[in-house]
Amino acid sequence: QVRLHQWGAGLLKPSETLSLTCAVYGGSFSGYYWSYIRQPPGKGLEWIGEINDSGSTNYKSSLKSRVTMSVDTSKKQFSLKLTSVTAADTAVYYCAGGQSAAGLKLWGQGTLVTVSS
Amino acid sequence: SYELTQPPSVSVSPGQTASITCSGDKLGDKYAYWYQQRPGQSPVLIIYQDNKRPSGIPARFSGSNSGNTATLTISVTQTMDEADYYCQTWHINSVVFGGGTELTVL
Repeated sequence: QVRLHQWGAGLLKPSETLSLTCAVYGGSFSGYYWSYIRQPPGKGLEWIGEINDSGSTNYKSSLKSRVTMSVDTSKKQFSLKLTSVTAADTAVYYCAGGQSAAGLKLWGQGTLVTVSS
Repeated sequence: SYELTQPPSVSVSPGQTASITCSGDKLGDKYAYWYQQRPGQSPVLIIYQDNKRPSGIPARFSGSNSGNTATLTISVTQTMDEADYYCQTWHINSVVFGGGTELTVL
């Protein structure tokens, strides 16, 4: 049973950098697209970007200037950095993964990130 | 940018059929996906490639996609189906989610 476990700082000040990491347990890391998705309190899902095991990335255009995703295939981990955070970045952040055209079948447990001075 | 539109809420009586729509320009030319999210939980993929169910998803969940509209149908709706439902597609190398529909079973 493949599962994702994510971690990272939960409280940030404005202008700081959000950093999250997600580890894949119990299954393959290659052949998947690994995504980060966020959900502001009481609101819907927003895709942030994705990366594959080769390090090829796609980012949401409106966040592209602040987002960097990376992979460490040896550890079966992928990470998100979001710079210059503001209160508008307060959300539950999920890591997720899926194989091409098969949807996001795997989800992490979510991490609440709060941006507050 | 590409947008997917869902009704904010849908109500259904237990045992009846619920339908949740998702509209987008020429959505039928793309694959549609559906996720269920119960309060406080991570989303769960319930439909992929328009009408396929991952293993473990009950057969009462079905999907269709044609023209500009994808539809999630839940037959013989149960109280445990009360949740938020999100549609999703791909557009130019980006994942796009609909705004979500809150399904109330009462």
